[in-house]
Amino acid sequence: GPKVLQIPSHQIIDMGQMVTLNCDPVSNHLYFYWYKQILGQQMEFLVNFYNGKVMEKSKLFKDQFSVERPDGSYFTLKIQPTALEDSAVYFCASSLTENTLYFGAGTRLSVL
Amino acid sequence: GDQVEQSPSALSLHEGTGSALRCNFTTTMRAVQWFQQNSRGSLINLFYLASGTKENGRLKSTFNSKESYSTLHIRDAQLEDSGTYFCAAGTGGYKVVFGSGTRLLVSP
Repeated sequence: GPKVLQIPSHQIIDMGQMVTLNCDPVSNHLYFYWYKQILGQQMEFLVNFYNGKVMEKSKLFKDQFSVERPDGSYFTLKIQPTALEDSAVYFCASSLTENTLYFGAGTRLSVL
Repeated sequence: GDQVEQSPSALSLHEGTGSALRCNFTTTMRAVQWFQQNSRGSLINLFYLASGTKENGRLKSTFNSKESYSTLHIRDAQLEDSGTYFCAAGTGGYKVVFGSGTRLLVSP
């Protein structure tokens, strides 16, 4: 099936530094999402991005978070500065329509 | 508040048996997806339904938008079916919300 690629698979970073998580969505998809999952718990919605704009975000999408997809390349999630509680697995998803999501394998972020 | 209520939170099955997982929605959803998260953490698409019933091998899923629920039936469970199963649903807007997951353990 369609593949969403996430790079890197694991990122270790010191608290306070900036980190950028990269997502290569399915090529013809129009909607892009980030989800956060702590320790195999529930998948928590962070943000949805469509047509170059954030369409909806949750309370977990703090001011330190930002997303963009410059020139149709990677869809990125930037955290600046990072905090200890940002440690989690971040999943990117993309979809052609609003409700059929395809997920990447996740990036495990460890903030030390 | 929580829009997706998933049950049970944990389930143990012996090989060859079956059971059902359920998601209840507190608001009208346009479609539902079911995923399996395997031991490596990868999310595997199982079903996407806007209505009705779909079947794939030993799995069958139903979505009843009027009564606001969806089910995932597993029959003849195998060891490789172990993992966490999530439903996810959207209202037709931009936010797709996940249930809390069902941890399934299949034992010999």
